[in-house]
Amino acid sequence: AQSVTQPDIHITVSEGASLELRCNYSYGATPYLFWYVQSPGQGLQLLLKYFSGDTLVQGIKGFEAEFKRSQSSFNLRKPSVHWSDAAEYFCAVAAGSGYSTLTFGKGTMLLVSP
Amino acid sequence: SQTIHQWPATLVQPVGSPLSLECTVEGTSNPNLYWYRQAAGRGLQLLFYSVGIGQISSEVPQNLSASRPQDRQFILSSKKLLLSDSGFYLCAWSGLGELFFGEGSRLTVL
Repeated sequence: AQSVTQPDIHITVSEGASLELRCNYSYGATPYLFWYVQSPGQGLQLLLKYFSGDTLVQGIKGFEAEFKRSQSSFNLRKPSVHWSDAAEYFCAVAAGSGYSTLTFGKGTMLLVSP
Repeated sequence: SQTIHQWPATLVQPVGSPLSLECTVEGTSNPNLYWYRQAAGRGLQLLFYSVGIGQISSEVPQNLSASRPQDRQFILSSKKLLLSDSGFYLCAWSGLGELFFGEGSRLTVL
């Protein structure tokens, strides 16, 4: 079965600084990879996804992620963080196109300081 | 456009009482539907998913059950709540290559 590790529980970034959230997965074949964002007390919104092809994926809100097979990683990046980016971020991996296999990491809480 | 609704948004229930959380999807037909539970610091755990009316797959043994009486309706139930059932419950549907989440239902069992 697949698994996801987000090693950072909390990260604090100054507004305007760059951001990188780490995600490592474990899966024997080519995974389907996702990043979701959750504001407090709300549902999750998809930021971006990787199924195949170009390993650098562009998402909404200025986010991007890079799939590195050799490192089993799918890190999320943003060049300049805005205060509205403060939220919890979840990396997820699926074994196929069916979402019934989707496995989430435990999340990284992003705090943005002024 | 497609929308997903969950209710109630917040629920406080005593131990041993029943539970019913409802989720409906509009603007699509025959969606795959999902119930997740989110506990603090533990990410999201898939509880049930359904590919059609009356078809329910359970991912983990637990005190909860799910039903799909109509194509776009998904219900999460319990006959007797436990303290450990407290959490944030999210309904979702998949389509258009994406998983769409509802706003969630916060359940506190006292």
